Amino acid sequence: DTAVSQTPKYLVTQMGNDKSIKCEQNLGHDTMYWYKQDSKKFLKIMFSYNNKELIINETVPNRFSPKSPDKAHLNLHINSLELGDSAVYFCASSQEGRLLMNTEAFFGQGTRLTVV
Amino acid sequence: ELKVEQNPLFLSMQEGKNYTIYCNYSTTSDRLYWYRQDPGKSLESLFVLLSNGAVKQEGRLMASLDTKARLSTLHITAAVHDLSATYFCAVDTVAGKSTFGDGTTLTVKP
Repeated sequence: DTAVSQTPKYLVTQMGNDKSIKCEQNLGHDTMYWYKQDSKKFLKIMFSYNNKELIINETVPNRFSPKSPDKAHLNLHINSLELGDSAVYFCASSQEGRLLMNTEAFFGQGTRLTVV
Repeated sequence: ELKVEQNPLFLSMQEGKNYTIYCNYSTTSDRLYWYRQDPGKSLESLFVLLSNGAVKQEGRLMASLDTKARLSTLHITAAVHDLSATYFCAVDTVAGKSTFGDGTTLTVKP
């Protein structure tokens, strides 16, 4: 069983389109994340949700909108895609532990988004 | 703003050799993670270091944390080809947020 699964794995789309990436975790974790990894492999957090509530939003353009229908799902919708959005997007989850600090994150397999 | 610096960013080493990857961070934290990423793959957790002086070992990898120096090390002993990957450290300062280093791409050659 896959612990954190995201779909699709690959996404090729034209500039200006709107697309969504879905993520589900079956680990019972409280916190879910979206990370962006660029072509140089730099990894940067975009959003963090705890029990369906947004707790971190890192200066991400408004075109990106996360949605968490329940604590096992965190989807990412992107409007008006731009060339610079091309990257690998990772979903992850972790468990809130002692002193509100989280355990290590478990990552999905990534979605490679290519905007042409 | 928290900065996390890894060095080196690229490391090519021969099988059987030892080497250390360094992770420095700029603000107080007592929680640091090491992850491994194989090319085209996801990230996998290697170590969670929770307090000053923490040391953890798994096979040929050993990680340590010095919170006073704001430094973590990942030591590789007698490298083998299977260790070739990109290694990331990540530091937590705010609940639910990890700041990642830029990664160290390790290539182990026969």
